[in-house]
Amino acid sequence: RKEVEQDPGPFNVPEGATVAFNCTYSNSASQSFFWYRQDCRKEPKLLMSVYSSGNEDGRFTAQLNRASQYISLLIRDSKLSDSATYLCAVEAGGTSYGKLTFGQGTILTVHP
Amino acid sequence: GAGVSQTPSNKVTEKGKYVELRCDPISGHTALYWYRQSLGQGPEFLIYFQGTGAADDSGLPNDRFFAVRPEGSVSTLKIQRTERGDSAVYLCASSRSGGGETQYFGPGTRLLVL
Repeated sequence: RKEVEQDPGPFNVPEGATVAFNCTYSNSASQSFFWYRQDCRKEPKLLMSVYSSGNEDGRFTAQLNRASQYISLLIRDSKLSDSATYLCAVEAGGTSYGKLTFGQGTILTVHP
Repeated sequence: GAGVSQTPSNKVTEKGKYVELRCDPISGHTALYWYRQSLGQGPEFLIYFQGTGAADDSGLPNDRFFAVRPEGSVSTLKIQRTERGDSAVYLCASSRSGGGETQYFGPGTRLLVL
């Protein structure tokens, strides 16, 4: 089993749709959680950190479920510009502190 | 301010050759990371520097890969006797002081081994 798993998609949704991605992780000692966005042939850019209490930034909401070991990302009112690959990343503690383990990414295409 | 920069942006080499990839982190960031990303995959951790020392090099695939950060700023990833399977995008990231903090990525170096 991979340490971090994502549904690779692709997800094809119309503008204005709501779309949700999940990401599961296997290491129960994981401490920090992130969602990155990556455009084609570009570097990953931080979209959101994910906190235990959940957090929201405009149309984006991230949640963490430690009991079930998954994080989620919800995008409301999708825009064409949201088309990208969304990567979840998990940082374990202890000797792995600082090391991010990424999922393979979920491809989102928003169409008119 | 300036972000993470990497040079070269593209590198084509022949199997068996030696390559060096350079990373300039964000000024003042003490933590520096190298990742490798293959097509259709997420970035894969290689090594993490805290200052001049490698805090975690558990992701280096074998002894052909080596990285240095002699003055705690610029880092060089060195690959000896390159193989076709080394072809990937090599990403560098930096963070202000280490674990738990946002890692900012550079644009990457696309390495192609023929």
